Amino acid sequence: DAGVTQSPTHLIKTRGQQVTLRCSPKSGHDTVSWYQQALGQGPQFIFQYYEEEERQRGNFPDRFSGHQFPNYSSELNVNALLLGDSALYLCASSLNGGGWSESVAFFGQGTRLTVV
Amino acid sequence: SQQGEEDPQALSIQEGENATMNCSYKTSINNLQWYRQNSGRGLVHLILIRSNEREKHSGRLRVTLDTSKKSSSLLITASRAADTASYFCAIKAAGNKLTFGGGTRVLVKP
Repeated sequence: DAGVTQSPTHLIKTRGQQVTLRCSPKSGHDTVSWYQQALGQGPQFIFQYYEEEERQRGNFPDRFSGHQFPNYSSELNVNALLLGDSALYLCASSLNGGGWSESVAFFGQGTRLTVV
Repeated sequence: SQQGEEDPQALSIQEGENATMNCSYKTSINNLQWYRQNSGRGLVHLILIRSNEREKHSGRLRVTLDTSKKSSSLLITASRAADTASYFCAIKAAGNKLTFGGGTRVLVKP
């Protein structure tokens, strides 16, 4: 049973460009969350998708957008990249359904984004 | 600022010793979870403790929760070199997101 898979693993972009990161959730999971982790810090919640809709959002600008597909996979898009967007982007999947608070998040290995 | 704050930020111990790290938070919670991260890669879930629980065990891990003090601790007993990692507490309050602390970097020396 494959866990959470993310692609690509590493990415280098130029300031001002746009990037798309992809995530396939663990089999059977219906909810995908995205986190940004700067070097030496804890992950910061970007947003969560359930039933193809953004259900909750953290304190990130509109340059960060996402999408969830009918097969529960998800994309994170970042427009107008800034140097400060350089980070590890983590995708986590869970089985939340109606918002079960005890669902455990399974994380992918992340995409390391470097903006130059 | 992050809701969960770990203490200490870094910890160095010898193999076989116990490692204790603490987490403080600011809001009411549904549950508190601990995760491990190796070398800046994905996080692995270790243990979840509900807001109405005070202590929980899983193998060599022991977690306590004091909601009156808004704090939790993670104890790793008989540490091994393979326990070298960063450990994060994460709170689940209202809503569905996890709010992580800054982590404790643990080095277990053989």
